[in-house]
Amino acid sequence: GAVVSQHPSRVICKSGTSVKIECRSLDFQATTMFWYRQFPKQSLMLMATSNEGSKATYEQGVEKDKFLINHASLTLSTLTVTSAHPEDSSFYICSALPWGLYNSPLHFGNGTRLTVT
Amino acid sequence: SQKIEQNSEALNIQEGKTATLTCNYTNYSPAYLQWYRQDPGRGPVFLLLIRENEKEKRKERLKVTFDTTLKQSLFHITASQPADSATYLCALAGGGSQGNLIFGKGTKLSVKP
Repeated sequence: GAVVSQHPSRVICKSGTSVKIECRSLDFQATTMFWYRQFPKQSLMLMATSNEGSKATYEQGVEKDKFLINHASLTLSTLTVTSAHPEDSSFYICSALPWGLYNSPLHFGNGTRLTVT
Repeated sequence: SQKIEQNSEALNIQEGKTATLTCNYTNYSPAYLQWYRQDPGRGPVFLLLIRENEKEKRKERLKVTFDTTLKQSLFHITASQPADSATYLCALAGGGSQGNLIFGKGTKLSVKP
């Protein structure tokens, strides 16, 4: 149980285009999902916290107009990288916190490798 | 500010030996600490959670200790196998939203046959 599906696993796009990444909790409801970015040999850096039915909370230094987050249902959050640039190339990972289980471990998706050319 | 350090970027050991990974933290008093495993190109997978009032936690060949005085957690894999080769991350609650975790950079473990 507790599977998080992230799609796509890999995407290559041209500079200036937008890319949407989906994160779904398959067998549980998640009022809170988290989006991380990971550069090679670096730790996961939290970008934003996505709450179902409300606006996302962004970490300092993360542009909310560039990284659009929508959490429209208890099982789906999306991250859209708008007007992507080569420096946005990274590994993006989502995680979900099962509803009602505070302080429980997070369930992670398998990540999306974004390459902007 | 809160800081988490996994002081070995890489650890190479022989199959059958015990691997010991270290996680230190500063400017922090976490209620619990978690360890995750991450394989290349994949998301982290939860392994163990240990609370501040627990000294030790075990799961099969895994053992985690938590010393709140030293501000340190040790992660042990006994009878290590090549399949244990991966990056291991420690994580602490980052405050704010429930589930908000701060991760260390990880230690890449390589177990040689």
